[in-house]
Amino acid sequence: QVQLVQSGAEVKRPGASVKVSCKASAYIFTRDYIHWVRQAPGQGLEWMGIINPSGGSTEYAQRFQDRVTMTRDTSTSTVYMELSSLRSEDTAVYYCARDGLEGTDLWGQGTLVTVSS
Amino acid sequence: QSALTQPRSVSGSPGQSVTISCTGTSSDVGGYNYVSWFQQHPGKAPQLTIYDVTKRPSGVPDRFSGSKSGNTASLTISGLQAEDEADYYCCSYAGSYTYVFGTGTTVTVL
Repeated sequence: QVQLVQSGAEVKRPGASVKVSCKASAYIFTRDYIHWVRQAPGQGLEWMGIINPSGGSTEYAQRFQDRVTMTRDTSTSTVYMELSSLRSEDTAVYYCARDGLEGTDLWGQGTLVTVSS
Repeated sequence: QSALTQPRSVSGSPGQSVTISCTGTSSDVGGYNYVSWFQQHPGKAPQLTIYDVTKRPSGVPDRFSGSKSGNTASLTISGLQAEDEADYYCCSYAGSYTYVFGTGTTVTVL
């Protein structure tokens, strides 16, 4: 079954880092770019960045440039998003999404990251 | 990069048509034919509804259609149905492999 499966919910202290994983199944992992998108409680969608699973190149939204790192492991068809220096405003559901042949057609189930002291 | 501007809410009766606008700039919506629309029901992941301004993925009903004029893209839902009640977000390519989402619109079926 073609799908993206994300890691489970996380609770982090302010100032800590979080690393969320997104495992691809049943399609050619290196063919399609992967986006990371987040949604704070009751708020809209926010684009964070994109990674090319083939070569590992990345592009980040300006506001996350100094805090986010996206990587991939082709041996396990998994991409990762690490966000550092967490603050309460980073509490959100984080999604990975595939940029396929017909648009951003496949989304992970979302990972809730809660930042609280 | 500023979020694209969408109306906060639109509403219509079953069977009616509603249109959601998505206004950006010449650096995003107006500069590329890469606008997508996503439907999101509460507690669910977004679902692709329209991509490349006008294209409809397989499985999406043909009552959903997209268009663009200048810096504004639009999503039209014709023959509104109860299950169309959801939040809708536009998203545009903004150059250099970056993207920007709209502010989101809640569609209410009266």
